[in-house]
Amino acid sequence: ILNVEQSPQSLHVQEGDSTNFTCSFPSSNFYALHWYRWETAKSPEALFVMTLNGDEKKKGRISATLNTKEGYSYLYIKGSQPEDSATYLCAFIGGTASKLTFGTGTRLQVTL
Amino acid sequence: IAGITQAPTSQILAAGRRMTLRCTQDMRHNAMYWYRQDLGLGLRLIHYSNTAGTTGKGEVPDGYSVSRANTDDFPLTLASAVPSQTSVYFCASSDHEGYEQYFGPGTRLTVT
Repeated sequence: ILNVEQSPQSLHVQEGDSTNFTCSFPSSNFYALHWYRWETAKSPEALFVMTLNGDEKKKGRISATLNTKEGYSYLYIKGSQPEDSATYLCAFIGGTASKLTFGTGTRLQVTL
Repeated sequence: IAGITQAPTSQILAAGRRMTLRCTQDMRHNAMYWYRQDLGLGLRLIHYSNTAGTTGKGEVPDGYSVSRANTDDFPLTLASAVPSQTSVYFCASSDHEGYEQYFGPGTRLTVT
């Protein structure tokens, strides 16, 4: 069983704050790292698929970086808004591309 | 609307009964997946299929079976349900293995 860990487990920030979370994963046999956003009562939605060491991806106020050599990825949210409130999941794919191993997520709550 | 659908939305099932959860996608995606979501454990892969006619085991396959007779459908069967299979089940698909996954709305199953 692969170890994919996310921290913190939960986070509570004020509107306008910038924040970041961490996903750590095995540094060997890397294939890809996914980030998903999961709002309450909805299904997970893909944010980023990252495959190369040093990758940086951006979508609006959300960005992510990847370090495959040391086995971590950061997700950044700039100027958090209440609609950013969700659980953010990372998922690691190692070796065979078929199997995603998900972390347990970081639950973000943004208040006014 | 194109996407991925699951049925039923929720079900209460007596232990020992057989149950099939249905999943259909109309995106012509090659790969499909079944996950279960349990509190504190995140999403765990049950079975996957990289293409019609092939299936593979995920992290927690015991007690479940799948088939992939065509591209669109990927049913998950519990041959003899047990209370530990109480969970929320998500089906997902991706264009190819390793690509971003699109999730269905989930099926909430309670085994009593």
